[in-house]
Amino acid sequence: KQEVTQIPAALSVPEGENLVLNCSFTDSAIYNLQWFRQDPGKGLTSLLLIQSSQREQTSGRLNASLDKSSGRSTLYIAASQPGDSATYLCAVRPNSNYQLIWGAGTKLIIKP
Amino acid sequence: NAGVMQNPRHLVRRRGQEARLRCSPMKGHSHVYWYRQLPEEGLKFMVYLQKENIIDESGMPKERFSAEFPKEGPSILRIQQVVRGDSAAYFCASSPGSSTGENYGYTFGSGTRLTVV
Repeated sequence: KQEVTQIPAALSVPEGENLVLNCSFTDSAIYNLQWFRQDPGKGLTSLLLIQSSQREQTSGRLNASLDKSSGRSTLYIAASQPGDSATYLCAVRPNSNYQLIWGAGTKLIIKP
Repeated sequence: NAGVMQNPRHLVRRRGQEARLRCSPMKGHSHVYWYRQLPEEGLKFMVYLQKENIIDESGMPKERFSAEFPKEGPSILRIQQVVRGDSAAYFCASSPGSSTGENYGYTFGSGTRLTVV
């Protein structure tokens, strides 16, 4: 059974720092992995989608990596800003399945 | 090109009433998925629908919950006789392709926050 874990559960850092959020999954048989952002009381915004054949994806200050064999993905945020404050969710799509399996999220606070 | 549209954004119901949550998929998408996010918990799959078909409702509670995706109009998630434990955020996602064999990401709506008082 696929399980997704995100560490840390919460993170508070000063503005300007580079930071890494971690996501691990127990079964390497996945189609893809998606990182989302959720602001308090708001919806889910897709940040990056990494296919199983890819090692990383980049969008602006965000870079996500995928190591299927070790069951890990990281989301790297460069030069963090207060506007980056949100909960970051990692979701895995297992092979031959449409259901996303979600981590519990990392709540990120960037202090001005 | 509107994204996935959910309404209402917030819904308050008294215990015992019915709640109806609507989801219109992205243009060109014919597959809809509902997820529930309980307070302080991760998202959990509820149901997967295509037009006029329920493909997988394995995540739906056996009683009081139902879903449909008619030929015309939005997908509806219906909760009858709501209880306090139904209070949660309900998210809808849509996708363009079939359930397997296609490597796509999901686009989510803004969710409906149901509060049962």
